[in-house]
Amino acid sequence: DGGITQSPKYLFRKEGQNVTLSCEQNLNHDAMYWYRQDPGQGLRLIYYSQIVNDFQKGDIAEGYSVSREKKESFPLTVTSAQKNPTAFYLCASTRASRQVTSGELFFGEGSRLTVL
Amino acid sequence: AQKVTQAQTEISVVEKEDVTLDCVYETRDTTYYLFWYKQPPSGELVFLIRRNSFDEQNEISGRYSWNFQKSTSSFNFTITASQVVDSAVYFCALGTGRRALTFGSGTRLQVQP
Repeated sequence: DGGITQSPKYLFRKEGQNVTLSCEQNLNHDAMYWYRQDPGQGLRLIYYSQIVNDFQKGDIAEGYSVSREKKESFPLTVTSAQKNPTAFYLCASTRASRQVTSGELFFGEGSRLTVL
Repeated sequence: AQKVTQAQTEISVVEKEDVTLDCVYETRDTTYYLFWYKQPPSGELVFLIRRNSFDEQNEISGRYSWNFQKSTSSFNFTITASQVVDSAVYFCALGTGRRALTFGSGTRLQVQP
């Protein structure tokens, strides 16, 4: 079945450690996104990529890094510079178009990161 | 700047009641898209509907209906005869140009049996 796979589903990290969240899609979508979800704050955009080897910062990129070496993969690294990393992280993708936001987003099931 | 406001943080209804979820948006663009997504307890957001700024027709899909009014910058979502399975967090979102979607803060709907 086509879709987006995020792993791990749950992750615990000690302060000062970097951690990488995986996002893989087999939908042949060009654009991929990472959102962070906190209680009562909805979804906030961390990074997005509209094409391989290119990505842009979203609204809350500080303390995060991404790469887009393959069309189907868009991993997110939460670095030790992220002051409050405990959150639910959602990866999404969509077919790119001239108006990239006209298409619906397909989401993964999310990764819940807890910093101990 | 784009902004989406969902003023209702949480709504609780009894099964079979009708419920309306409010969404107010702000944008200076004349071409834009509005979306509703449902997030069940599993966490994955599920697409419900997309509307473009040139189409103000209301839409009905089964028990779901959407009321788009440009004059008030609102895109409200009504569930008729709610069911327990409707319990979820619902997000309204706005898309303009080549920017990524801007989401509201979500409304948690609890439908009691």
